[in-house]
Amino acid sequence: QVQLQESGPGLVKPSETLSLSCNVSGYSLTLGHYWGWIRQPPGEGLEWIGSMFHSGNTYYNPSLKRRVTMSVDTSKNQLSLRLSSVTAADTAMYYCARTVYSVRLGPLHFDLWGRGILVTVSS
Amino acid sequence: QTVVTQEPSFSVSPGGTVTLTCALTSGSVSTNNYPSWYQQTPGQAPRTLIYYTDTRSSGVPDRFSGSILGNKAALTITGAQADDDSDYYCVLHIGSGTVVFGGGTKLTVL
Repeated sequence: QVQLQESGPGLVKPSETLSLSCNVSGYSLTLGHYWGWIRQPPGEGLEWIGSMFHSGNTYYNPSLKRRVTMSVDTSKNQLSLRLSSVTAADTAMYYCARTVYSVRLGPLHFDLWGRGILVTVSS
Repeated sequence: QTVVTQEPSFSVSPGGTVTLTCALTSGSVSTNNYPSWYQQTPGQAPRTLIYYTDTRSSGVPDRFSGSILGNKAALTITGAQADDDSDYYCVLHIGSGTVVFGGGTKLTVL
């Protein structure tokens, strides 16, 4: 059974960098999916942050691209998210999700989700 | 900037049928946008219902169906049950390696 588990600090100070990890069990990151991050501010809708292939190829939401870095550690079967210069607007539940993709088009949809982790940006 | 729009809220009676839609501000939705649909209950992660416009994910009841209706993607629930009282989100591929979530529809079953 494939499981995704997010981890990281639940509280980040404004202007600092948010860093999260997603441990994937029951499925190798190298088997041929993209792996992505989606967030949801309290009481609001879902927002795609970006998706990454184990080779390093990435697709980012244009509105966040300037502040986002994603990476994959295949030895740990883990993906990571870094979001720089955070503000209160970055307070959200952050989900990692397996991303189904097209070689020609990139990300298409999400088929497996982690349970999410709440990150609050506050001093 | 391309925006994906959904009805903010909808209500349906138990046993009734409801169709939620997903539109693009910049044009028509087609199968080339690879519409997908997700259900989210409060405090839970989203659950994938439909992908590739009309393919149900494993374990999703057949009362959920996806389609293209006119110039929008659509999610139809036939024979709504109390458990279907949830938020529903669509996702569209809009090109340039980008996917966008709709704003979500809060469905009330009462």
